[in-house]
Amino acid sequence: DTEVTQTPKHLVMGMTNKKSLKCEQHMGHRAMYWYKQKAKKPPELMFVYSYEKLSINESVPSRFSPECPNSSLLNLHLHALQPEDSALYLCASSQDPVQVLGGALTDTQYFGPGTRLTVL
Amino acid sequence: GDSVTQMEGPVTLSEEAFLTINCTYTATGYPSLFWYVQYPGEGLQLLLKATKADDKGSNKGFEATYRKETTSFHLEKGSVQVSDSAVYFCALSDRPMLGGSYIPTFGRGTSLIVHP
Repeated sequence: DTEVTQTPKHLVMGMTNKKSLKCEQHMGHRAMYWYKQKAKKPPELMFVYSYEKLSINESVPSRFSPECPNSSLLNLHLHALQPEDSALYLCASSQDPVQVLGGALTDTQYFGPGTRLTVL
Repeated sequence: GDSVTQMEGPVTLSEEAFLTINCTYTATGYPSLFWYVQYPGEGLQLLLKATKADDKGSNKGFEATYRKETTSFHLEKGSVQVSDSAVYFCALSDRPMLGGSYIPTFGRGTSLIVHP
């Protein structure tokens, strides 16, 4: 099973709302990622979790708050977003290099289908 | 730093035509190279990968060879179908911190449009 699932598929929210995006994988991966993708652009890395600990935060505004409650789940909490935050939000997972000897085998990322977010 | 350069699209072809999408990279180490495909309204799917020089990745009729001497990883398919219409991203994966997670660097993406 190489599936990463994300919910909801679509989300429309106002600038004062609080909502959460969810991501789940059951591949035993210990690295999980959030990306933001605008139309006709490549994904932009937001956060990386390694063994449920935040390892990379690409200077993302605090209105985006990630959470990794366990090794299978990754959340992205949203609060006071702006219209320019409207985008496709992608979750991905991969094995962490320490999981497998010979690190080159562990660098494949598996992406979820994304959540299409619209901020009004 | 690492970078990936892809040919600008869109690439427009007739069904059964030969496809090449060029990709070159710059990296300080020995990264793995990937092609991802994104169909309209969907997330990214791994299409193929290669982990070392001269490796050939292949899947669904698509191929790409890791050429270290030309720092290239061009995507090819002998006969495209309408269902291949999508955006294709070339990417490399490197590890910025020893023992840290692999972080991919993506190209800008190339849109492929295949007409019947």
